Amino acid sequence: EVQLLESGGGLVQPGGSLRLSCAASGFTFSSYAMSWVRQAPGKGLEWVSTISNSGSNTYYADSGKGRFTISRDNSKNTLDLQLNSLRAEDTAIYYCARDRTWEGPFDYWGQGTLVTVSS
Amino acid sequence: EVVLTQSPATLSLSPGEGTTLSCRASQSVSSYLAWYQQKPGQAPRLLIYDASNRATGIPARFSGSGSGTDFTLTISSLEPEDFAVYYCQQRRIWPRTFGQGTKVEIK
Repeated sequence: EVQLLESGGGLVQPGGSLRLSCAASGFTFSSYAMSWVRQAPGKGLEWVSTISNSGSNTYYADSGKGRFTISRDNSKNTLDLQLNSLRAEDTAIYYCARDRTWEGPFDYWGQGTLVTVSS
Repeated sequence: EVVLTQSPATLSLSPGEGTTLSCRASQSVSSYLAWYQQKPGQAPRLLIYDASNRATGIPARFSGSGSGTDFTLTISSLEPEDFAVYYCQQRRIWPRTFGQGTKVEIK
């Protein structure tokens, strides 16, 4: 059974940093691209970032470019998202998701971790 | 960026009724469109990918169609568990974008 378990969310002040992690199990992690998708409270879904299966290619939404860094450790089956220079508008649930195929739809999702940016 | 516009914003329906949700893209996304279902407090679930392919374990009452800029998700007969928010998402052009969602609520 595919499982994705996010951690690392919490309350952070504007300008602060946070590192989110996603532990994957139930599939060959190194064979799949992985992504982060977020959802602000009461709002829709927003793609944040994607990393290729090897980690050699990364993509970011403009909203996070230069501030967020996606990475993965295929030996540990973990996906990370480093969030820097956080703003109030980054407040959201951050979901880890598996790409069904490269650039494909998101076929499995974690339950999400809440990031709240507030003073 | 490809803008996806979903309509209507809300549908009020009764169990057993059928319905069609619409997703229109600001430019062609070929058939690279997916549909997701999200219930309150839960993560989204993939229903349909590449416009018309049901994801693993998705009941046959869900079907998708369309290509280019116009897409539809059809639910043939609503079950109580189908009342949720539905999102479309394109993967043809970076950045990957989602529609704003259609809420299907119980009448």
